[in-house]
Amino acid sequence: SQKIEQNSEALNIQEGKTATLTCNYTNYSPAYLQWYRQDPGRGPVFLLLIRENEKEKRKERLKVTFDTTLKQSLFHITASQPADSATYLCALANSGNTPLVFGKGTRLSVIA
Amino acid sequence: DTAVSQTPKYLVTQMGNDKSIKCEQNLGHDTMYWYKQDSKKFLKIMFSYNNKELIINETVPNRFSPKSPDKAHLNLHINSLELGDSAVYFCASSQEDNNSPLHFGNGTRLTVT
Repeated sequence: SQKIEQNSEALNIQEGKTATLTCNYTNYSPAYLQWYRQDPGRGPVFLLLIRENEKEKRKERLKVTFDTTLKQSLFHITASQPADSATYLCALANSGNTPLVFGKGTRLSVIA
Repeated sequence: DTAVSQTPKYLVTQMGNDKSIKCEQNLGHDTMYWYKQDSKKFLKIMFSYNNKELIINETVPNRFSPKSPDKAHLNLHINSLELGDSAVYFCASSQEDNNSPLHFGNGTRLTVT
């Protein structure tokens, strides 16, 4: 069956360190993968999209990698801040008119 | 200013009632969606509409009926509400391109008692 797994339900890190979140998938051949941030009581907010032919994408302190052989994406936040505390969701879709499917998310807490 | 807005934010109702949630987007997007987020925070697609036409209808009871009067609006009507319908419902929109990111509303928390 198809699965998207974000292997940590919760992750606590010290301010200033790099947070690394993992997204693994099985029985998908995604054309692209997206990462979202969700704060309590709010809808998810889009952060980054990476395509199957891209190895890495960066945006300010964020970096995403995509390894289609390992079927894995890593999401990094460098120089983390307490304001980065939120739930981070990965989402993917096969090509065509297939819906975006979300992982369960990882709740990140950055401790000052 | 709000890109995707949905109302109401909170909805408390009794089993057996019929209720509606409204959604509007001012981004000019062609595609709109309804997602359900359950108590375990799992976000699951329910429906997708493109230019007022139903594209995706996942395994959702037919008590749930989406209605799109125009491409800027996608409302969700729920008949005969059940306890298990309690969840947060999110509306979202995107450009027609499948690579496009989703823009979400802030959700409607439905509580069925």
